[in-house]
Amino acid sequence: DGGITQSPKYLFRKEGQNVTLSCEQNLNHDAMYWYRQDPGQGLRLIYYSQIVNDFQKGDIAEGYSVSREKKESFPLTVTSAQKNPTAFYLCASSISGTSKNIQYFGAGTRLSVL
Amino acid sequence: SQELEQSPQSLIVQEGKNLTINCTSSKTLYGLYWYKQKYGEGLIFLMMLQKGGEEKSHEKITAKLDEKKQQSSLHITASQPSHAGIYLCGADRGSNYKLTFGKGTLLTVNP
Repeated sequence: DGGITQSPKYLFRKEGQNVTLSCEQNLNHDAMYWYRQDPGQGLRLIYYSQIVNDFQKGDIAEGYSVSREKKESFPLTVTSAQKNPTAFYLCASSISGTSKNIQYFGAGTRLSVL
Repeated sequence: SQELEQSPQSLIVQEGKNLTINCTSSKTLYGLYWYKQKYGEGLIFLMMLQKGGEEKSHEKITAKLDEKKQQSSLHITASQPSHAGIYLCGADRGSNYKLTFGKGTLLTVNP
């Protein structure tokens, strides 16, 4: 079945630690996205990538880093510089080159700080 | 102020009742997307509207786009407990594939 797989479902970070969230898709989509969701805040865009080896900062990129070495994969690293990392993280992908930007989402990773 | 305002923020209805959720944009809309989310899960795509006056339906859910008002409404007919969840609207601003999302409307359907 085609879809987007995020892992792990739950993640705990110790202070000063970097952690990496995985996002893999087998939909053959060019574009991929990372969002952060906080209660009462809606979704906020962290990073997005329209093509392999290229990515752009979203609205809240500080304290995060990404890579896009393969079309299928778009991992997100939450660095120690991110002082408030506790949130629900969602990865999405979409077909590029059309007027319809329908984004398909993974099941999310909930990150908590120990 | 928010680019996308959703109203109401939360809604409790009795099973079988109709309901409407609104999404109003403060900027030009090139596309309006409706998603549903169960708590702690990912977003499920419902419908996309692009043209003014466009209306789409999926089962008992209908969405409309009023281009002049920069507003979309999501209407559920004869609500069921399975309709419960968070409904989010997303707006396409016409550049770079980015979507801007509203804060969501939490729908509770009591049996």
